[in-house]
Amino acid sequence: RKEVEQDPGPFNVPEGATVAFNCTYSNSASQSFFWYRQDCRKEPKLLMSVYSSGNEDGRFTAQLNRASQYISLLIRDSKLSDSATYLCVVNIFGDSSYKLIFGSGTRLLVRP
Amino acid sequence: GAVVSQHPSWVICKSGTSVKIECRSLDFQATTMFWYRQFPKQSLMLMATSNEGSKATYEQGVEKDKFLINHASLTLSTLTVTSAHPEDSSFYICSADVGQGYEQYFGPGTRLTVT
Repeated sequence: RKEVEQDPGPFNVPEGATVAFNCTYSNSASQSFFWYRQDCRKEPKLLMSVYSSGNEDGRFTAQLNRASQYISLLIRDSKLSDSATYLCVVNIFGDSSYKLIFGSGTRLLVRP
Repeated sequence: GAVVSQHPSWVICKSGTSVKIECRSLDFQATTMFWYRQFPKQSLMLMATSNEGSKATYEQGVEKDKFLINHASLTLSTLTVTSAHPEDSSFYICSADVGQGYEQYFGPGTRLTVT
């Protein structure tokens, strides 16, 4: 089983739509959670951290359910520029440092 | 914001040669840097964690003698792919820990093609 699992999509939605992505993680000791955005042939960019209480940043809302080991990202009023791959990322601690484990990403296509 | 640069952005080399990729933190000091590899349509896979002044920690399955990592200063880490083969062709990305909540900022990546 993958450590971080996401629906690969693609999600094909019209402009203005609301879309939700889900992610599950297997390591219950995971400490921090993030959503990154990656455009084609580019590096990932941090979209937002995810906190237990849930957090919102403009049109983006992230939720974390530690009991279910489940993370979500909601995008409201989708824009064409939101088209990208969204990576669910979990932080786990190793022997001497921490490391980020990336999901395989969910691809979003927003059409006019 | 934290800026991480990588050089070169792309490189084509012949099989059997070595390639060095540089990762720099431009406006902050990075005690820890990370090296990832991403194959087409796959996610980022951590190769190694690089700590300034000490040996890198490699992930399982990553050959430390093939992927040499040097982190000699707080702003520079290098990855050398030795005796490169076509199967090493990939997108190599570095990142740096900015020291706040385990967030990492990524370099723009280096696209390596081995012919």
